[in-house]
Amino acid sequence: AQSVTQPDIHITVSEGASLELRCNYSYGATPYLFWYVQSPGQGLQLLLKYFSGDTLVQGIKGFEAEFKRSQSSFNLRKPSVHWSDAAEYFCAVGTYSSYKLIFGSGTRLLVRP
Amino acid sequence: DVKVTQSSRYLVKRTGEKVFLECVQDMDHENMFWYRQDPGLGLRLIYFSYDVKMKEKGDIPEGYSVSREKKERFSLILESASTNQTSMYLCASRTFDRGKSGELFFGEGSRLTVL
Repeated sequence: AQSVTQPDIHITVSEGASLELRCNYSYGATPYLFWYVQSPGQGLQLLLKYFSGDTLVQGIKGFEAEFKRSQSSFNLRKPSVHWSDAAEYFCAVGTYSSYKLIFGSGTRLLVRP
Repeated sequence: DVKVTQSSRYLVKRTGEKVFLECVQDMDHENMFWYRQDPGLGLRLIYFSYDVKMKEKGDIPEGYSVSREKKERFSLILESASTNQTSMYLCASRTFDRGKSGELFFGEGSRLTVL
């Protein structure tokens, strides 16, 4: 069965520091991969997605993610974090054969001034 | 701008009450979804609908039902609310062409408290 693991429940970084949020998935076929962000009290907003092609994907707000098939990973990165990036981040996996997206349990990002 | 609107942001209900959560999308999307969000558990799929009058159970359908009579509207129904259904409920929609655009568009959520 498909599954998504986000091993870090909370991460705290200083403003201006770099960020990497981890995501590992389990699925036999080529997955479609997504990162969403949720600000407090809001719905989820898509940051970026990977379907095929270049394994380094650029998204909104300066985020990028890299698909590594050998490691079954799709980690989210940002070179310099801003205070407004404090939110919860969700990784999700889908496939062509299924309507469903499977979400990870989320990583809450805290940003120190 | 694409928009998914959930009619109630906050609801407080009593145990045993029937609860309706409404979701409307203006993007002419075929697929619509109801997720439940709980701390530490991420989003779990309750039901989804791939077209009008079509529905399929997700991973946690027990205690819930859904209705999709029109393409733009997808309702989640709690026939007899229980305290363990206190949660944030998120509606989402997506175009049918999932191979090219599988992303979900989400509403802002409905926070339900069952006393």
